Amino acid sequence: QQQVKQSPQSLIVQKGGISIINCAYENTAFDYFPWYQQFPGKGPALLIAIRPDVSEKKEGRFTISFNKSAKQFSLHIMDSQPGDSATYFCAASMPREKLTFGTGTRLTIIP
Amino acid sequence: ETGVTQTPRHLVMGMTNKKSLKCEQHLGHNAMYWYKQSAKKPLELMFVYSLEERVENNSVPSRFSPECPNSSHLFLHLHTLQPEDSALYLCASSQEGGINYGYTFGSGTRLTVV
Repeated sequence: QQQVKQSPQSLIVQKGGISIINCAYENTAFDYFPWYQQFPGKGPALLIAIRPDVSEKKEGRFTISFNKSAKQFSLHIMDSQPGDSATYFCAASMPREKLTFGTGTRLTIIP
Repeated sequence: ETGVTQTPRHLVMGMTNKKSLKCEQHLGHNAMYWYKQSAKKPLELMFVYSLEERVENNSVPSRFSPECPNSSHLFLHLHTLQPEDSALYLCASSQEGGINYGYTFGSGTRLTVV
């Protein structure tokens, strides 16, 4: 019940396209859903996060869509650029509990 | 300095060596974590320290020994490691007890055991 399932494992998108990464969870007590971005040789960095009282959050080209009834949330990267090529992790946590991470998606943006 | 700083960035050690990884956070957080990241594997939580007390140890072999002398510093002492311990070791910190704001990670130590 603590798992967060992330897909796909890897993704190749053309420059200018939309990248979509999906995550699903079982624990309805989760109340915080962040996405992390990790470049080679660096630690993961918080990209954007959402709480279940909203269905969508947008920051620049990055959008989280949240479907509470389906227990799914996804990251959309609009107008994908080569500089977005990285590994993306979704995560979830309950109040005052540690984060549970997804398995990661390696995103490659091709010209 | 800001954020979470890990040293060294790279470490090569023999199986009989003893070495330590260091992590320092300048964010005023009260919880610190060690993660192991191996190629093509999910992030593996190793240890959690909250208010300088170890609150979690995820069945990590005794050849890994953590130390948290204060809320800003975290060490991972290594001895008699195996080649399969080669990985990126990440330190993270967070503020427990309030609304979750996620973790801040360091850049990691790339460990190679030869």
